[in-house]
Amino acid sequence: KNEVEQSPQNLTAQEGEFITINCSYSVGISALHWLQQHPGGGIVSLFMLSSGKKKHGRLIATINIQEKHSSLHITASHPRDSAVYICAGLLRGSGGYQKVTFGTGTKLQVIP
Amino acid sequence: ETGVTQTPRHLVMGMTNKKSLKCEQHLGHNAMYWYKQSAKKPLELMFVYNFKEQTENNSVPSRFSPECPNSSHLFLHLHTLQPEDSALYLCASSPWVDSGDTQYFGPGTRLTVL
Repeated sequence: KNEVEQSPQNLTAQEGEFITINCSYSVGISALHWLQQHPGGGIVSLFMLSSGKKKHGRLIATINIQEKHSSLHITASHPRDSAVYICAGLLRGSGGYQKVTFGTGTKLQVIP
Repeated sequence: ETGVTQTPRHLVMGMTNKKSLKCEQHLGHNAMYWYKQSAKKPLELMFVYNFKEQTENNSVPSRFSPECPNSSHLFLHLHTLQPEDSALYLCASSPWVDSGDTQYFGPGTRLTVL
């Protein structure tokens, strides 16, 4: 069992739909990182959060430390949102990261 | 524009070759990272540099040798690699290591080891 689990693994949505991608982790973390990887490999860092909620445009990320769970929401989805979304748990020590554990990703396809 | 560039974008090498991957960031960041992404496997953090000092080495084999001559440049020297080292190697930077800032990724180098 992976220490960072994402669900669903694959997701197909119609344009305009509200999308939720879930990330659960079984390890202690200092922060959780959401990444977006486009076809071809390019990666964009979306959010780094350690508590509460962050919003950027149509993207919202939430984290519940007690439940060890984070969600990434996309409102009014668009075909350009099609990508692989990856969550990663970060455990920091003095001087830098001690450990970064990545989920296997959620492949999202938004159909016009 | 991500501000993080990587060269080469594609590299094919034999197991006896020695090659280097280069990463350069123009964002004034102090922290730089090497990641490895193998097919059908999660991203793996390889190395972390903070102010040119290596702070993390996540059990990476010695055939991968990082070098950070200054806070804008990061190299990954490769020698006697194995076919299973074929992967996408990604470089990233952030303002600081421990601030919670988001990381900015380069486009990656697609490495094939024959």
